[in-house]
Amino acid sequence: NAGVMQNPRHLVRRRGQEARLRCSPMKGHSHVYWYRQLPEEGLKFMVYLQKENIIDESGMPKERFSAEFPKEGPSILRIQQVVRGDSAAYFCASSPKGYYEKLFFGSGTQLSVL
Amino acid sequence: SQQGEEDPQALSIQEGENATMNCSYKTSINNLQWYRQNSGRGLVHLILIRSNEREKHSGRLRVTLDTSKKSSSLLITASRAADTASYFCATDPDSGGGADGLTFGKGTHLIIQP
Repeated sequence: NAGVMQNPRHLVRRRGQEARLRCSPMKGHSHVYWYRQLPEEGLKFMVYLQKENIIDESGMPKERFSAEFPKEGPSILRIQQVVRGDSAAYFCASSPKGYYEKLFFGSGTQLSVL
Repeated sequence: SQQGEEDPQALSIQEGENATMNCSYKTSINNLQWYRQNSGRGLVHLILIRSNEREKHSGRLRVTLDTSKKSSSLLITASRAADTASYFCATDPDSGGGADGLTFGKGTHLIIQP
């Protein structure tokens, strides 16, 4: 029973390019969460999705960032026109129930913007 | 906004000693969770305590919750070198709307000296 799978593990982009981060939740989990972590910081909530629905995007920057969780396939976090400040570790988590139960985290994608 | 705040920021103890970390939060909650993060990895769920519980045990872990003081503590007994990691508390504010998702503090970095 594979855990939460994130890819790529490391992603390097130049300023102005697009970054696509993928997350496959654990089998049987229909709730996906994206978090961002800066060095020596805690995790900052970005967005919570269920299949085909965005439940809570209160942590998403208003511009350049979007997320989806289609009926088929992984959840995608998309960052357009990346800037250096987007460099961070992006973690995906999934859970079998909603918000309040324990989250299972992937190993993260380290995004570096040159 | 940051909900949970861990204390201390860093803790270094000898192997075999007990380690205690504290977490304070600001608003009412449904539950509080503790997670561990090894360097460069995703978070691993340790324990969840609900707002109507005062104490919970799991192996060498003991968690207490004092809702009147809005605080929780995590005790790791008989520490081992493998316990070296960052420990985060996470709260889901009992706001009804669930805004901001599960919010994490900045963590306590625990180092176990062999």
